[in-house]
Amino acid sequence: DAGITQSPRHKVTETGTPVTLRCHQTENHRYMYWYRQDPGHGLRLIHYSYGVKDTDKGEVSDGYSVSRSKTEDFLLTLESATSSQTSVYFCAISESGQGWEAFFGQGTRLTVV
Amino acid sequence: GENVEQHPSTLSVQEGDSAVIKCTYSDSASNYFPWYKQELGKRPQLIIDIRSNVGEKKDQRIAVTLNKTAKHFSLHITETQPEDSAVYFCAAQVGGFKTIFGAGTRLFVKA
Repeated sequence: DAGITQSPRHKVTETGTPVTLRCHQTENHRYMYWYRQDPGHGLRLIHYSYGVKDTDKGEVSDGYSVSRSKTEDFLLTLESATSSQTSVYFCAISESGQGWEAFFGQGTRLTVV
Repeated sequence: GENVEQHPSTLSVQEGDSAVIKCTYSDSASNYFPWYKQELGKRPQLIIDIRSNVGEKKDQRIAVTLNKTAKHFSLHITETQPEDSAVYFCAAQVGGFKTIFGAGTRLFVKA
């Protein structure tokens, strides 16, 4: 498996609190992605990064922000968590942005109560 | 915006039969189409992919076909086995870096 680790694996938080999820890779891949997975919706892209400090929005970016200060780390922040953000979050990495396989992390199950 | 539709949402087949999952995409500039398999509680993993300059690709019991004119691509699994039971996602890469996924197909293979 590609060297990609998400933390935490599980988290329960209260509505209105900030939450940060971390994705760490040891593959030195340039591209990193955050997806959320919900029943009936598949995997929806939240934000992605194509280099250090280079990020852009995906399909469902409202309420989320990201940062990438180092090649190996991509952070996803929920500024003020809401119940609609209860989901399973997957980080993915790829060597190239075009036409290359994406490797996924193990996922983080986030519950907002 | 970009969209990938996937059908059916659930598919049940008898062991040994074939399974076909179909997807359509909206952005004609899409040029890379991967398929991922996700077993229960695990991460999605690539099983096969196809690029826009190829019409068909095969890897043992799985094959993918692409019709760029119709913006349609399909996954074919032959001689299905119980271990093929999983959720399958099609995807299309659009706008250079973004990969948009279909909603998934839950495949059940009955022994």
